[in-house]
Amino acid sequence: AQKITQTQPGMFVQEKEAVTLDCTYDTSDPSYGLFWYKQPSSGEMIFLIYQGSYDQQNATEGRYSLNFQKARKSANLVISASQLGDSAMYFCAMRGSNTGNQFYFGTGTSLTVIP
Amino acid sequence: NAGVTQTPKFQVLKTGQSMTLQCAQDMNHNSMYWYRQDPGMGLRLIYYSASEGTTDKGEVPNGYNVSRLNKREFSLRLESAAPSQTSVYFCASSDFKPNGKKTQYFGPGTRLLVL
Repeated sequence: AQKITQTQPGMFVQEKEAVTLDCTYDTSDPSYGLFWYKQPSSGEMIFLIYQGSYDQQNATEGRYSLNFQKARKSANLVISASQLGDSAMYFCAMRGSNTGNQFYFGTGTSLTVIP
Repeated sequence: NAGVTQTPKFQVLKTGQSMTLQCAQDMNHNSMYWYRQDPGMGLRLIYYSASEGTTDKGEVPNGYNVSRLNKREFSLRLESAAPSQTSVYFCASSDFKPNGKKTQYFGPGTRLLVL
């Protein structure tokens, strides 16, 4: 069975500092994809970054990077130079090769950026 | 380029009533999804469509039906609404970017209240 675990219900970070949001996963699929999403208080869901299980390098998208440690089954999101607009819920998700296009989401981490 | 659009934005139903949530994307994506999000939880997949003409059940399909009308449109129908279906519903579409990375876009969501 696929499972995504986000153990930090809430995080605080000082503006302009970096922050790491944790995500661990469990799967028996030989290949899979890992995703991070941002959900501001306005409610929309925004895709941030994707990491394939066979990608040689950690994914980066602007200020977002994914610290992928396959042996530990972790896919932590790193946000550099935090901005006030980064305050939101952040969700980690996974899609496995044996589950077609199904996505499995974690319960989310609430990030608050302090001025 | 509107991305993913959903209608309606809000809906109140009485138990037993039926309704259809509409979703359309103008990005020529093959895959489309319907999720629900309950308070304090991540997204759960209801149904997905890997390509035009195909649909498959997700994690929580009971009480719902879907139609992939064409490549652009993917509708979700509640035949007999129940209070347990009170939720926020998100439609999404996904495909691969030219660099091989997967991307996903969400609609603004539909807030449904079943009395």
